[in-house]
Amino acid sequence: NAGVMQNPRHLVRRRGQEARLRCSPMKGHSHVYWYRQLPEEGLKFMVYLQKENIIDESGMPKERFSAEFPKEGPSILRIQQVVRGDSAAYFCASSASGTANEQFFGPGTRLTVL
Amino acid sequence: SQQGEEDPQALSIQEGENATMNCSYKTSINNLQWYRQNSGRGLVHLILIRSNEREKHSGRLRVTLDTSKKSSSLLITASRAADTASYFCATDNDYKLSFGAGTTVTVRA
Repeated sequence: NAGVMQNPRHLVRRRGQEARLRCSPMKGHSHVYWYRQLPEEGLKFMVYLQKENIIDESGMPKERFSAEFPKEGPSILRIQQVVRGDSAAYFCASSASGTANEQFFGPGTRLTVL
Repeated sequence: SQQGEEDPQALSIQEGENATMNCSYKTSINNLQWYRQNSGRGLVHLILIRSNEREKHSGRLRVTLDTSKKSSSLLITASRAADTASYFCATDNDYKLSFGAGTTVTVRA
């Protein structure tokens, strides 16, 4: 039973480009959460999605960031017109139900903006 | 602002010694969880303690929770080089985890 998969593991973008981060939840999980970890800090909640619905995007910047979890395929976190401050590790977690005590984390995508 | 705050920020110990780190939080919680993160890697769930529990053990790990003081501690006994990592506490509010900045533990051989 594969765990949460994220790709790519490392992503380098130049300022102004777009970054697309993918997350495939564990089999049977329909709840996905995205967290961001800035250097030397803990993870910060960004967004919570269920299939085809955004439940809570209160932690996501209002501009340039968007997330989706389509009926088929992985969840996508999209960052448009990246800036240096977007450089961070982005982690995805999934759960079978919408609770914090059953979230399983992926290995993360490390985004570097040049 | 972060819900959990770990103390100390960094800890260096000799192999075989015990490592203790603390976590304080601000608001009431359902559960408190501890995670480990090896350098540049993902999070590994270590242990969950519910708000009505005071102490929990898992192998060489011992976690305590004092809800009156809004604090928790993680004790790693008989440390090994493989325990070198960052340790985070996380409180939960329904589905949202709130992490502290972590304690970086270095175990010297």
